[in-house]
Amino acid sequence: AQSVTQLDSQVPVFEEAPVELRCNYSSSVSVYLFWYVQYPNQGLQLLLKYLSGSTLVKGINGFEAEFNKSQTSFHLRKPSVHISDTAEYFCAVSPSKRGYQKVTFGTGTKLQVIP
Amino acid sequence: DTAVSQTPKYLVTQMGNDKSIKCEQNLGHDTMYWYKQDSKKFLKIMFSYNNKELIINETVPNRFSPKSPDKAHLNLHINSLELGDSAVYFCASSQVRDPYEQYFGPGTRLTVT
Repeated sequence: AQSVTQLDSQVPVFEEAPVELRCNYSSSVSVYLFWYVQYPNQGLQLLLKYLSGSTLVKGINGFEAEFNKSQTSFHLRKPSVHISDTAEYFCAVSPSKRGYQKVTFGTGTKLQVIP
Repeated sequence: DTAVSQTPKYLVTQMGNDKSIKCEQNLGHDTMYWYKQDSKKFLKIMFSYNNKELIINETVPNRFSPKSPDKAHLNLHINSLELGDSAVYFCASSQVRDPYEQYFGPGTRLTVT
């Protein structure tokens, strides 16, 4: 079984400042990792994913994440946030096996960008 | 041109009632899902269908019954609603060859009084 821990439930940050949203996972098998974003009153949208290859993954809207196997982490970063980045961010994990595998989501981190 | 749509958006009902939530996707995907998001934003998979066949059925009370009339639709019927069923229910879809890129609907906020 897999689990995901998002260490911060809320992260306030000033506009144009950098931000890091932390995610740690636990798994006995190899995993794929994801970040999803949920804007207010909307469904989730895939921000980026790590399946294999380079451990630094770039996503939409200027976000990137780095897979660190030794620390079992997949932290999300953005060098300069905008008001429009205010949303809930979910880290997720899935076993890296063929065929359908369940995606397990973290409890989310609410990013609040302050003007 | 909505990709994944759900109806209704809001649903307020009393305990003991039976209700349905409908989901449709026009992305040509072959896999659809139902998730439940509780008041603390915890998102949990309930069901998954691939080509109208059930492939994932988490430990959900049997009061919840999904139905997939075709690949583009996955409905959720809930019998004998309870207070604890209050949540936001999300439908999602994906291709079986890329199950990780899931496209979510806008959600249905169910309130049981």
